[in-house]
Amino acid sequence: EVQLVQSGAEVKKPGESLKISCKGSGYSFTSYWIGWVRQMPGKGLEWMGIIYPGDSDTRYSPSFQGQVTISADKSISTAYLQWSSLKASDTAMYYCARLGTGYSSSSLDYWGQGTLVTVSS
Amino acid sequence: AIRMTQSPSSFSASTGDRVTITCRASQGISSYLAWYQQKPGKAPKLLIYAASTLQSGVPSRFSGSGSGTDFTLTISCLQSEDFATYYCQQYYSYPQTFGQGTKLEIK
Repeated sequence: EVQLVQSGAEVKKPGESLKISCKGSGYSFTSYWIGWVRQMPGKGLEWMGIIYPGDSDTRYSPSFQGQVTISADKSISTAYLQWSSLKASDTAMYYCARLGTGYSSSSLDYWGQGTLVTVSS
Repeated sequence: AIRMTQSPSSFSASTGDRVTITCRASQGISSYLAWYQQKPGKAPKLLIYAASTLQSGVPSRFSGSGSGTDFTLTISCLQSEDFATYYCQQYYSYPQTFGQGTKLEIK
């Protein structure tokens, strides 16, 4: 069974750093792209970027380029989303999801349960 | 970036109704279009990909159509569990953008 399990909720202060994780199981982690999606409170879905764990090829949305870093450790089947300096506007639910084929142009067929990030002074 | 516009943004319907949600792309995306369902407090769920292909396990009352710039999601006979928010997504080019969502509520 394909599963993506995300790390738990985080409460941080502005300016702090953070790295959240997404562990894949039940499939060949290195053969499928993993994407990250933001959902701000009461708002819609925003595509942030994707990574191919096999070679760490990464694509970012221009809206998030330079604001976050997407990475992966294929040895432990885990993808990451990190911030070096959080802002209050980063408060949101963050989902990881698997792209449904080995190609970067694919829908998101399996989703993690989400990680709620709250940034508040 | 390709802009995806859904209509309506919200509407009310009754169990048993046939409903259609529209998604329009700001430029042609061939059939690189997916539909997702999201219930409150839950992760989105893939319903349809490649504009009209039903994801495994999704009830056949859901169907999708369209290509190029205009797409529709149809639910043939609404069930109570279908009241949710629906999103379209293009994966034709980067960034792979979502529509703003359509909230389907009980009348």
